[in-house]
Amino acid sequence: DAGVTQSPTHLIKTRGQHVTLRCSPISGHKSVSWYQQVLGQGPQFIFQYYEKEERGRGNFPDRFSARQFPNYSSELNVNALLLGDSALYLCASSSTGGSQPQHFGDGTRLSIL
Amino acid sequence: GENVEQHPSTLSVQEGDSAVIKCTYSDSASNYFPWYKQELGKRPQLIIDIRSNVGEKKDQRIAVTLNKTAKHFSLHITETQPEDSAVYFCAASKDTGFQKLVFGTGTRLLVSP
Repeated sequence: DAGVTQSPTHLIKTRGQHVTLRCSPISGHKSVSWYQQVLGQGPQFIFQYYEKEERGRGNFPDRFSARQFPNYSSELNVNALLLGDSALYLCASSSTGGSQPQHFGDGTRLSIL
Repeated sequence: GENVEQHPSTLSVQEGDSAVIKCTYSDSASNYFPWYKQELGKRPQLIIDIRSNVGEKKDQRIAVTLNKTAKHFSLHITETQPEDSAVYFCAASKDTGFQKLVFGTGTRLLVSP
C-alpha cells in the first residue's frame, strides 16, 4: 500500500508569492495534518482536517490556509511568502482525527529567496 | 499550551550499547506519546507509541516507559546498531476533538561501529 504522498518535493519561491502544497493520505485514512519543520527543530503543528472540516489550527498567521477534498487529499496554501516560511512542510495522515498514530509523508522542501 | 522538553540533544554510543532519550511534558491532560525516527532527508517514521493507561511498551529492541506522575517518558534502545543513527523526536498530544502533536527538539543519535 502506498504511504502518504506529497507534491512537489522541492519548491523555490520569492517573497510575496503564494504556494500550494498537496498531500494524499494513506488509503482509508480520513484525517490529514500539516506540520512545518524548520531545520534543526521538531515539526510544528499547522492544521488538522478530518472529514473535510478543519478540526484544529496551530499558531500560524492567516496567510496559512488549507482544505480537504472529498477523496481526503489536502492542500496547504501559503500567501505573501516570507523568508521565514522556508522550511520542510510535512503532511501526516491518520485514520481518524483523534489520538491515532500519525504517519508522515516525505514533505515538501520550500525555499524562499 | 503543551511544552515538551527532550534530552540529550546529541548522544553518541558504541555499537551494542544501550541508548536512552528522555522527554518531559507540561500538560497533565496529555495522553498519547509517540516517538519518531528521522533519518537525514527523510520523513519522520513512527517507531513506537504509548498511551497514558500503560506504563511501558516494548517492540523488539525498542521500549518506551511513561511516568505520569512525573510527566516524563523515555525511549530505550538496546543493542544499538549503526542503522539506528538518526534524529529521534518525542511528541505528546491530548484528546481535544483533534490531535495536535507537540514535538520535542530532537536527539541526534550516533552509533559508531
